[in-house]
Amino acid sequence: DAGVIQSPRHEVTEMGQEVTLRCKPISGHDYLFWYRQTMMRGLELLIYFNNNVPIDDSGMPEDRFSAKMPNASFSTLKIQPSEPRDSAVYFCASSLALMGNEQFFGPGTRLTVL
Amino acid sequence: AQTVTQSQPEMSVQEAETVTLSCTYDTSESDYYLFWYKQPPSRQMILVIRQEAYKQQNATENRFSVNFQKAAKSFSLKISDSQLGDAAMYFCGAAGANNLFFGTGTRLTVIP
Repeated sequence: DAGVIQSPRHEVTEMGQEVTLRCKPISGHDYLFWYRQTMMRGLELLIYFNNNVPIDDSGMPEDRFSAKMPNASFSTLKIQPSEPRDSAVYFCASSLALMGNEQFFGPGTRLTVL
Repeated sequence: AQTVTQSQPEMSVQEAETVTLSCTYDTSESDYYLFWYKQPPSRQMILVIRQEAYKQQNATENRFSVNFQKAAKSFSLKISDSQLGDAAMYFCGAAGANNLFFGTGTRLTVIP
């Protein structure tokens, strides 16, 4: 397996634009997670899915953020409209279960909003 | 509520020496796991070690071991014989049946 795949690796956009980050989890993993990493807040869990269903989105900062998982092999995190304070590295991770199983992280998407 | 606190934003250690990274947590879950992830400059997140809360024996993975004090809700990571490749950001985390939290990280510098 190629591991968790994220695209794009880098994204530079202007304030107000829509940004879509993509993730392909490891095949067979039932859980998918979206994280945001910043210097100030460290690694924050934004939302996670179990079998394509969003379970906990309490970490999503505001309504400008939305995440979907239309099938077991694809998820998106969308920011609309984007703001400079959204600049961060966004990670996607997948695992077999929530407890006890290793989460496998993608390489991350570095987002810069000008 | 569940929280994970890493009180040391930065630590340094001399090569070949031992260093301990601190982590405390708070959870209402009766069953949970604790873990440490390493993030080197490549940005890739790598699982270092994990501990099942119901197990009293501290987990060990080669040069990495934990000191799990359940009553004190403490889960520190000890790195023995530190190597240059250990230089990274280290994240402590906790996962229960319904939630998952990471700390803010500790940046470890290894001095040659």
